[in-house]
Amino acid sequence: QVQLQESGPGLVKPSETLSLICTVSGYSISSGYYWGWIRQPPGKGLEWIGSMYHSGSSYHNPSLRSRVTISVDSSKNQLSLKLRSVTAADTAVYYCARDIVGASGAFDIWGQGTMVTVSS
Amino acid sequence: QSALTQPPSVSGSPGQSVTISCTGTSSDVGGYNRVSWYQQPPGTAPKVMIYEVSNRPSGVPDRFSGSKSGNMASLTISGLQAEDEADYYCSSYTSAGTPVFGGGTKLTVL
Repeated sequence: QVQLQESGPGLVKPSETLSLICTVSGYSISSGYYWGWIRQPPGKGLEWIGSMYHSGSSYHNPSLRSRVTISVDSSKNQLSLKLRSVTAADTAVYYCARDIVGASGAFDIWGQGTMVTVSS
Repeated sequence: QSALTQPPSVSGSPGQSVTISCTGTSSDVGGYNRVSWYQQPPGTAPKVMIYEVSNRPSGVPDRFSGSKSGNMASLTISGLQAEDEADYYCSSYTSAGTPVFGGGTKLTVL
């Protein structure tokens, strides 16, 4: 059974860097598929942040590209997200998920999500 | 990368059918057969119900079906049940090589 679990600080100060980890169990990231990050501000819709393949190929939302770094650590079976220079607009539930059709947005397995609040 | 357009809300009575639309452009929905649909009850993570326009993952009831015509994709739920009440989101692959989500539709079962 494939499971994803997000972890990281629940509170980040404005202008600092948001850092999250997604630990995958039941499946080896290096076996394939793209792995992505999606976020959802309170009461709002889903926003794709970016996706990455274990080999290093990655795609990012153009609106966030300059602030986002996504990486994969195959040895730890983890996906990570760094979002720099955060503001209150980055307050959201952050999900990691597996994309089963390239980087097309067909996310079949999701983590439970982790709430991140940007506030001083 | 503009969000796909979905109606804010739809409703139906138990046993009825409802259809949720997802409108894009020839650069996303109309250009690729890579449309997915997600169900999200309050306080939970999204669950994929349809991928590649009309494919149902194992475990998803066949009451859920997807289709596409031109730049518009649709999710139809037949035999509506109370447990279907949730937010629904579409997503599509785009010509930029990235996915984009719709704004979401709240389904109310009357």
